[in-house]
Amino acid sequence: DAKTTQPTSMDCAEGRAANLPCNHSTISGNEYVYWYRQIHSQGPQYIIHGLKNNETNEMASLIITEDRKSSTLILPHATLRDTAVYYCIVRSRTTSGTYKYIFGTGTRLKVLA
Amino acid sequence: DGGITQSPKYLFRKEGQNVTLSCEQNLNHDAMYWYRQDPGQGLRLIYYSQIVNDFQKGDIAEGYSVSREKKESFPLTVTSAQKNPTAFYLCASFEGGRTEAFFGQGTRLTVV
Repeated sequence: DAKTTQPTSMDCAEGRAANLPCNHSTISGNEYVYWYRQIHSQGPQYIIHGLKNNETNEMASLIITEDRKSSTLILPHATLRDTAVYYCIVRSRTTSGTYKYIFGTGTRLKVLA
Repeated sequence: DGGITQSPKYLFRKEGQNVTLSCEQNLNHDAMYWYRQDPGQGLRLIYYSQIVNDFQKGDIAEGYSVSREKKESFPLTVTSAQKNPTAFYLCASFEGGRTEAFFGQGTRLTVV
């Protein structure tokens, strides 16, 4: 299973872009990168996902390097409500054909007023 | 509205008792998952199921059991064999192979 590595914590000023990095150097060619975030004691919330192309939606942008060994989640204008733990996840397909989401410890993002 | 529901939100049990956590989804999703989360930690996979009547062990299955008799339901039993059961438990579902997983709001289990 591919594993992900993220910084433990980051701060970002309100209104500025938050750039959250993730390393997934053992990712294989058909494994997607997903980003979720979790606000204290709630279920994780889906943000975005991608395979090899950069992706953008109403919440964020996802930049994946050409070799796919790392990616960056960008929150373009961070607000106080974006304070959360952000998880970078590689979705792996098992030999039996099922999918597994392997979570790491995530990055605790604190948006500062 | 479609969604995934976990109940109860808070659960207290005495040590040595089995307890079953409920997870129901009306999203018509094939795959369902159970995760455990400890304070300050990420989510660890307990069990997952791709289809009815089939499930696989995750990374920390010891002391837990599951069943998948219906597509909508994936209950998790925390047995007395689980040495450290106090944790936050999250259930998730997704339409196998497509899009993202949807998570419930979790059950916080405290064993005293």
